[in-house]
Amino acid sequence: QQPVQSPQAVILREGEDAVINCSSSKALYSVHWYRQKHGEAPVFLMILLKGGEQKGHEKISASFNEKKQQSSLYLTASQLSYSGTYFCGTQSNSGYALNFGKGTSLLVTP
Amino acid sequence: NAGVTQTPKFQVLKTGQSMTLQCAQDMNHEYMSWYRQDPGMGLRLIHYSVGAGITDQGEVPNGYNVSRSTTEDFPLRLLSAAPSQTSVYFCASSYVDGNSPLHFGNGTRLTVT
Repeated sequence: QQPVQSPQAVILREGEDAVINCSSSKALYSVHWYRQKHGEAPVFLMILLKGGEQKGHEKISASFNEKKQQSSLYLTASQLSYSGTYFCGTQSNSGYALNFGKGTSLLVTP
Repeated sequence: NAGVTQTPKFQVLKTGQSMTLQCAQDMNHEYMSWYRQDPGMGLRLIHYSVGAGITDQGEVPNGYNVSRSTTEDFPLRLLSAAPSQTSVYFCASSYVDGNSPLHFGNGTRLTVT
């Protein structure tokens, strides 16, 4: 039931771009993205609903392809503050449960 | 507005002991859920609820019990603790409109020896 995230880990230099992917075997109603810093709770980034929309704010955006049951998170011109673990959470058409992937560890270096 | 409050923050149990992790929210959220987080495993859903009197199992429910007698509270009970239940536990809540973010508590770090 857990969605599959890739890659597992990414190391970037400041200013570089990254893409994190999330895929599910179930038909999806929504995809959530969260970022977690070490020792803290996950923090909400954005939600995408079925309809194939793309969302974003500043340099972090995401897309949702409901036909492929996939979502991607785009981080452009990365900053040191982007470091952390990114989780996608998926909600299927058949229920309320939000299931998370195993996470993608992102490290941005100076 | 306290958000989602989890207690305790830390707990050490011996194998076989039972305990309850508390979770309360003051945002009138219908949806409440419990996750456990283990290294390399992400956040795995234990149990969830969409309203008072309604609970359902998530991905890893064995060894845990929940109840939802009020909208505000969603306690997680460990019936007979095992070392495999050593983990960080997060409670999270949201509206059930399908377009609301999850609000997480600060977590409970549980060690079972």
